[in-house]
Amino acid sequence: GAVVSQHPSRVICKSGTSVKIECRSLDFQATTMFWYRQFPKQSLMLMATSNEGSKATYEQGVEKDKFLINHASLTLSTLTVTSAHPEDSSFYICSGGGLDTDTQYFGPGTRLTVL
Amino acid sequence: GEDVEQSLFLSVREGDSSVINCTYTDSSSTYLYWYKQEPGAGLQLLTYIFSNMDMKQDQRLTVLLNKKDKHLSLRIADTQTGDSAIYFCAEGYSGGGADGLTFGKGTHLIIQP
Repeated sequence: GAVVSQHPSRVICKSGTSVKIECRSLDFQATTMFWYRQFPKQSLMLMATSNEGSKATYEQGVEKDKFLINHASLTLSTLTVTSAHPEDSSFYICSGGGLDTDTQYFGPGTRLTVL
Repeated sequence: GEDVEQSLFLSVREGDSSVINCTYTDSSSTYLYWYKQEPGAGLQLLTYIFSNMDMKQDQRLTVLLNKKDKHLSLRIADTQTGDSAIYFCAEGYSGGGADGLTFGKGTHLIIQP
């Protein structure tokens, strides 16, 4: 099946700093990539949808200036958490979908801890 | 609005069948998915079903869809210790990349020896 990677898998940062998370589709072209957030023992919540070469569409309640998303190529999307605060600590999961796929393929997730 | 509901826990004995249930509210959902998540890991797609299907079987997994009642179930035959995980039901409008998915809170499957 299609493989999506994320980097880093874990990151710890100080409050006020910015953190970039990469999401790569390794063996398929992801026309659309999605970013989800998962709190402990909770469901995944869609944060934003990004199409290659265009601006991301954010879900209601998600601050676009805080969570910067770039989808510069068909195999790479990045999520930058700017001026991180402890409440941004969470598990961030990306997924990729393409025109020739039947579903989204999820990355392994990135555990962000903001001190 | 969209809502996907699952019970939070299911405990079964090793070797028995597990049936995980899910209800959804959006009748326009086109695809319904089951994902598995092991501790600290990402999501693994187990199976999915189109909304115009009633049943799909894939080895030990059987998915049943009752579109009238908006009820989806996942049956795992001969449950093994390796099946211990959280199982998420999700709904979507398109199969591939067009739309994000709406997930349930997940059912934690506990296997008793």
